[in-house]
Parts: sequence; structure tokens; C-alpha cells
Amino acid sequence: AQTVTQSQPEMSVQEAETVTLSCTYDTSESDYYLFWYKQPPSRQMILVIRQEAYKQQNATENRFSVNFQKAAKSFSLKISDSQLGDAAMYFCAYRSAGTYKYIFGTGTRLKVLA
Amino acid sequence: GAVVSQHPSWVICKSGTSVKIECRSLDFQATTMFWYRQFPKQSLMLMATSNEGSKATYEQGVEKDKFLINHASLTLSTLTVTSAHPEDSSFYICSARGSGTSGSNQETQYFGPGTRLLVL
Repeated sequence: AQTVTQSQPEMSVQEAETVTLSCTYDTSESDYYLFWYKQPPSRQMILVIRQEAYKQQNATENRFSVNFQKAAKSFSLKISDSQLGDAAMYFCAYRSAGTYKYIFGTGTRLKVLA
Repeated sequence: GAVVSQHPSWVICKSGTSVKIECRSLDFQATTMFWYRQFPKQSLMLMATSNEGSKATYEQGVEKDKFLINHASLTLSTLTVTSAHPEDSSFYICSARGSGTSGSNQETQYFGPGTRLLVL
């Protein structure tokens, strides 16, 4: 069975600085999708970024980028120029290509310091 | 695009009563919707997957007779918590698989804002 591990329960970053959130996963599959979702205090889950495993190029969305290392089964999220609005819980999620179900990590709480 | 709504956002009920939560995809058709439960400071736990026009598939350990799921149309799924008890108090979140229209991606789930249930 697939598993997703987020080893950092909490992280802090100074406003305007860069922070990297870690995510590792375990799977025997070769075709899958990986996601980062943000859950602010409102608790609305917001898609941050998506990565298809078959793509070698790392996904980027404005200030958010990932470092996808398929062989190492690692999928970290880098947030550049951190803003106060980035403060939230961040969940890493895995999805097999053959199913639409997600497997979520336990989350990392990001604090942004002014 | 890809907006999912939930209603109500907050519900308080007495023990023994039933509560219905609606999940709607507002600008796209969702053949597949998901229901999650989230306890405070924890991750999302998948309860069931519902496909339009067919019975929901429940995850192991989830009581299907207690959590009734109906997906009668391509834009609406409902979760009914039957005979609710205080231990059912939680945050319930639905999501919908994108359809490839209205800016939604078919490989991605789009989440509703959640419903907080408190059973007294």
C-alpha cells in the first residue's frame, strides 16, 4: 500500500524568505500524481501545485515550486518570497493513476513571521 | 472555475437526529465525489467515494448505514449522518473530481469549504 510521510509537523519562515516543506512517499507504481494542498484557518483546501510522475520537469506555480525526485520518492515544496497569507497547514497527497482516491500526509503547519 | 460548495457550513443537532450535508459542483459536472472527515489538527480521512448514479464505495471501518451517501446528479452529492451521536461531531469535507471543463483538471480533486457538525 502507498504511504505519504511529512516529517515536519511545523515550520517557520520569515516574511520574504524561502522555505521548503518535505514530503516522501512509498509506492511500487510508476504512474501516479502528486499534489500539495494548502489549508488556511478557514479550512478550505486549496490546490497549490500538481505534478505528474511521468513528467521530469518540476512543476511551478508563481512563488511555489516543487523538487520532484522520482527515484528517491521525494516531493518537496518550495515557497519563495513567503507572505503572511502563506501561513496554513500544507498537505502532500498521492494519487495512483488507476484511481482518483488521494492518500494524504499528516500535514505541516507553516508559520510566517513578520 | 472548479468551485465546489457545501451546505450547511455549520450545524448543531441533538443526539439521535439525522443531518444532511450537501456538496455541489457549481461550474462543472462531477462524475466522482469524495467525502472526508477531519479531526482537529489531523489529516483528512477518506470516508467514501461516490459515483453519479451508483452506490458509494465506503472505506474500511466506515459504517455505510450510518453515513448515507447519495450522488443523484452530476452536480450534487449528499451525506446524511443518521442517528447522530456526539462522537460523530467533526469537520466533514467533500471534494469533486474535475471534469476537464471550467478550468478543472480531471486528475485533480476540488474541495468544498467543509461542514462543521456538532452533536449535543
